[in-house]
Amino acid sequence: DGGITQSPKYLFRKEGQNVTLSCEQNLNHDAMYWYRQDPGQGLRLIYYSQIVNDFQKGDIAEGYSVSREKKESFPLTVTSAQKNPTAFYLCATPSGQGASTSNYGYTFGSGTRLTVV
Amino acid sequence: AQSVSQHNHHVILSEAASLELGCNYSYGGTVNLFWYVQYPGQHLQLLLKYFSGDPLVKGIKGFEAEFIKSKFSFNLRKPSVQWSDTAEYFCAGPLYGGSQGNLIFGKGTKLSVKP
Repeated sequence: DGGITQSPKYLFRKEGQNVTLSCEQNLNHDAMYWYRQDPGQGLRLIYYSQIVNDFQKGDIAEGYSVSREKKESFPLTVTSAQKNPTAFYLCATPSGQGASTSNYGYTFGSGTRLTVV
Repeated sequence: AQSVSQHNHHVILSEAASLELGCNYSYGGTVNLFWYVQYPGQHLQLLLKYFSGDPLVKGIKGFEAEFIKSKFSFNLRKPSVQWSDTAEYFCAGPLYGGSQGNLIFGKGTKLSVKP
């Protein structure tokens, strides 16, 4: 998907379980983002990273964790502390290199649909 | 921080009808604005973008949008919709206006086109 890959496509989580969503990009971009999409609520920012080994909380970071050990990878862990994790999760990277990441818009991965069972 | 508002939650049209989806961005200065589309079961794709210059921008599949600074609006238009335009549409802009900060998104407008 334009150089950004999310896996798995579907994920089922049991109560109290942590799960990790994968996001990989081969665009050599510094910035990566995680959004959560719920019906009627648009996209809400969970975490973002502007550079390797650094990341920042977004608007709804509670119950989530991330790491950025490699430039190409930005995995998201949905922890047991996230009480309502059922949602569609989207990873994104800017559509071009540049200091101002919103100049180009974002390229999105195909998403992971997480369901609590 | 700025905000993006999409006032239409769900729009239902018949094929060949004209479309206009509203988007308001709370900053009236120079700004980068975007419309994304999400077809059923697919990821978000860029439909069109406005950076500067001509306020009327054209995107893929016959869509266009006009940035009206005085109204803080960036409405999406298409003269004649097709069944294949059934999708959810998201407007987006920078968190801090201009071109600064992460993108923020409106809540989306679901478009259903009846054949």
